Amino acid sequence: GAGVSQSPRYKVTKRGQDVALRCDPISGHVSLYWYRQALGQGPEFLTYFNYEAQQDKSGLPNDRFSAERPEGSISTLTIQRTEQRDSAMYRCASSLASDSPLHFGNGTRLTVT
Amino acid sequence: AQSVTQPDIHITVSEGASLELRCNYSYGATPYLFWYVQSPGQGLQLLLKYFSGDTLVQGIKGFEAEFKRSQSSFNLRKPSVHWSDAAEYFCAVGTGGGADGLTFGKGTHLIIQP
Repeated sequence: GAGVSQSPRYKVTKRGQDVALRCDPISGHVSLYWYRQALGQGPEFLTYFNYEAQQDKSGLPNDRFSAERPEGSISTLTIQRTEQRDSAMYRCASSLASDSPLHFGNGTRLTVT
Repeated sequence: AQSVTQPDIHITVSEGASLELRCNYSYGATPYLFWYVQSPGQGLQLLLKYFSGDTLVQGIKGFEAEFKRSQSSFNLRKPSVHWSDAAEYFCAVGTGGGADGLTFGKGTHLIIQP
């Protein structure tokens, strides 16, 4: 497709369950970013990859959060043992190179009940 | 670490009137600056960016922004707003044009009055 694709669009899960959020970047884009956006806030950086290498994971809140991009294309953000405070919009972005502007997907709205 | 302040949470403007959204940043070196727009149910769309050079940058949809180093500001302007401009606007600062991620402001919600 032409843009960054994220799935699912909406995810409702019970507290304590694990969730996996998927991001399919624009074809050929080297860099891939994950952001979290709480209601009424701007996006907050979580982590980013160049190709398959995770360059920076300093924004991940704790060790329940992890991300991978094993083949340098699709990425998965996994949240283990979800908590209500994890509820947010999770946004993925990709860029042609690390010094290029970001293109954002429509996000995954996660609700933990 | 860099930070971004958007002092106005909400702004209401009449259709056809001019618009200015404020953005102040904090960063020790020359920043990379961006404005993004987020319409309901949509992803973030890049309006314009400043990396270097001319401090007045033109973007899409008739928007422009001016980088003022002395004021640490990067305000977004449009001479005449349209009802379709109603959205959430985010200013962001980066250190490498994209690398290391961006730091976003909390956003300004633009309301257009008929």
